[in-house]
Amino acid sequence: DAKTTQPTSMDCAEGRAANLPCNHSTISGNEYVYWYRQIHSQGPQYIIHGLKNNETNEMASLIITEDRKSSTLILPHATLRDTAVYYCIVRDKGGDAGGTSYGKLTFGQGTILTVHP
Amino acid sequence: DVKVTQSSRYLVKRTGEKVFLECVQDMDHENMFWYRQDPGLGLRLIYFSYDVKMKEKGDIPEGYSVSREKKERFSLILESASTNQTSMYLCASSFVGMDRGQYEQYFGPGTRLTVT
Repeated sequence: DAKTTQPTSMDCAEGRAANLPCNHSTISGNEYVYWYRQIHSQGPQYIIHGLKNNETNEMASLIITEDRKSSTLILPHATLRDTAVYYCIVRDKGGDAGGTSYGKLTFGQGTILTVHP
Repeated sequence: DVKVTQSSRYLVKRTGEKVFLECVQDMDHENMFWYRQDPGLGLRLIYFSYDVKMKEKGDIPEGYSVSREKKERFSLILESASTNQTSMYLCASSFVGMDRGQYEQYFGPGTRLTVT
């Protein structure tokens, strides 16, 4: 799985958009970008994933650059409850999508996002 | 909503005890995983299971075993607990798509185990 690089920490004001960057310059063609977050003392929570196109769901948007070497997770209107560690993970899906992954997730250190009033 | 539950949030055991951690998911997922999380080390995969009675070792299986007798339940067993197994244990599940690809994982709340 490709390695990712994220800032150690970020701050965001409540109600503003939080933009969390992730570099994955060694990503290969069949690898997806996944985002998870972990609120203190809870299990990680899946947020969103994508391959090439930008993606949006009820939680966030994912913007992937054209060369796929970096991506940005956007929380459009951050709330205090969004304070968490955010993990960017790159991995293949395995199966017919190619690759050899059996589903293991490798979490790096992530970005500590603090949303303040 | 997918729900993954773990039998205990906090557990304190003595060195040498046999410890069972239970995980149940209600979404008929094929895959189930056990991770441990330690400060500075991130999540590390202990074991996973892709079907009933099937299991595969992860990155750190030593000192652990698992059991999956029913699709919805995956148990982690510490045969003889040691202090270096004090950790947060996280269970996860995911489904396998029609393309046999591995999809997003859903995690339980975690069990914080202390071995004294």
